Amino acid sequence: ELKVEQNPLFLSMQEGKNYTIYCNYSTTSDRLYWYRQDPGKSLESLFVLLSNGAVKQEGRLMASLDTKARLSTLHITAAVHDLSATYFCAVDGSGNTGKLIFGQGTTLQVKP
Amino acid sequence: NAGVTQTPKFRILKIGQSMTLQCAQDMNHNYMYWYRQDPGMGLKLIYYSVGAGITDKGEVPNGYNVSRSTTEDFPLRLELAAPSQTSVYFCASSYEGLNQPQHFGDGTRLSIL
Repeated sequence: ELKVEQNPLFLSMQEGKNYTIYCNYSTTSDRLYWYRQDPGKSLESLFVLLSNGAVKQEGRLMASLDTKARLSTLHITAAVHDLSATYFCAVDGSGNTGKLIFGQGTTLQVKP
Repeated sequence: NAGVTQTPKFRILKIGQSMTLQCAQDMNHNYMYWYRQDPGMGLKLIYYSVGAGITDKGEVPNGYNVSRSTTEDFPLRLELAAPSQTSVYFCASSYEGLNQPQHFGDGTRLSIL
């Protein structure tokens, strides 16, 4: 059974600091997705990582994928308050149909 | 484009009642999905569909049914509501299953009392 684990589950940080969220998964997969969810809202796609070594960046967020280590990271550079949200990673559990298995989520709180 | 539209946004049901959660997308996506999100948790897949007339179970299908008669619509049916089905339900769609992100609706917040 595919399991996806994120850590930390909660992260409180000061504006301007850097930090990394980790996403580990238990079986082979070449595809990993990152989503953002604001409180009471829907999920917004951030990154789609499609191969080993993939790295994508958007603003202060950078995501990477190491399929051999079964690990993805979401790095936050010089955090700002607007980045406060819950971040989910998800792994394709089926190989072909987009059946995503989600991590528990990491709630990020950026303090001024 | 409206994207993925879910109705209703909120609903309170009594135990044993039935209801259908509606989901429609106007992006001509083949793949559609239903998830539930319990408080403080990630999403769990209930059912999915890879095209009209084709559906299959996800992680937590018990107590739910789906149908996919058109590309646009993917309703989720609760037959005998139970308190354990209190959750937020999200519908999502994607053009294909693998290399594109899923687009999510705004969710239906369902309470069963």
